[in-house]
Amino acid sequence: AQSVTQPDIHITVSEGASLELRCNYSYGATPYLFWYVQSPGQGLQLLLKYFSGDTLVQGIKGFEAEFKRSQSSFNLRKPSVHWSDAAEYFCAVGGSNYKLTFGKGTLLTVNP
Amino acid sequence: GAGVSQTPSNKVTEKGKYVELRCDPISGHTALYWYRQSLGQGPEFLIYFQGTGAADDSGLPNDRFFAVRPEGSVSTLKIQRTERGDSAVYLCASSASGGTGELFFGEGSRLTVL
Repeated sequence: AQSVTQPDIHITVSEGASLELRCNYSYGATPYLFWYVQSPGQGLQLLLKYFSGDTLVQGIKGFEAEFKRSQSSFNLRKPSVHWSDAAEYFCAVGGSNYKLTFGKGTLLTVNP
Repeated sequence: GAGVSQTPSNKVTEKGKYVELRCDPISGHTALYWYRQSLGQGPEFLIYFQGTGAADDSGLPNDRFFAVRPEGSVSTLKIQRTERGDSAVYLCASSASGGTGELFFGEGSRLTVL
């Protein structure tokens, strides 16, 4: 069965600091991998996705993620966090675009 | 509309009652999805429509849950004999195709069963 683990329930960083959110997945074949962001009162928004090819993928809002097959990881990074990045972040895996398995999420707090 | 619209945004009902949640996808999107997000959890897949038909309903938890999309646009998720454990945010998403197209999510319908 496919699964996603986001080890950090809550992370706090200072504005301008770098950020890395961890994601480990379990999947029996080549996975499709996604990062979504959910802000209060808003729907989930896709930050980036990996289907194949270059293992370093660029997304919106300055985010990037790296697929590491040997570690079953797809960590999300941003070099300099802005206060507006405060939100909940979800990693997801699937064999297709629609039947995704999400992690429990990581809540990001940004201190001024 | 500009995005995926879900109504109602909040629904409070009593145990045993029947509930309908509506999703209006982005115009022209053929694929529609329902997910459920319980408190402290990530979204869980419920059902996927391609056009009018349910292409995959393997995520529906039991036969109290049913969804329709009769004209290939608006979808309704129906829950019979609601239970307290059904309390969650029900998310709808749509995409231009069911392949690798991006899913666009609505803000969700928060269901509370007392």
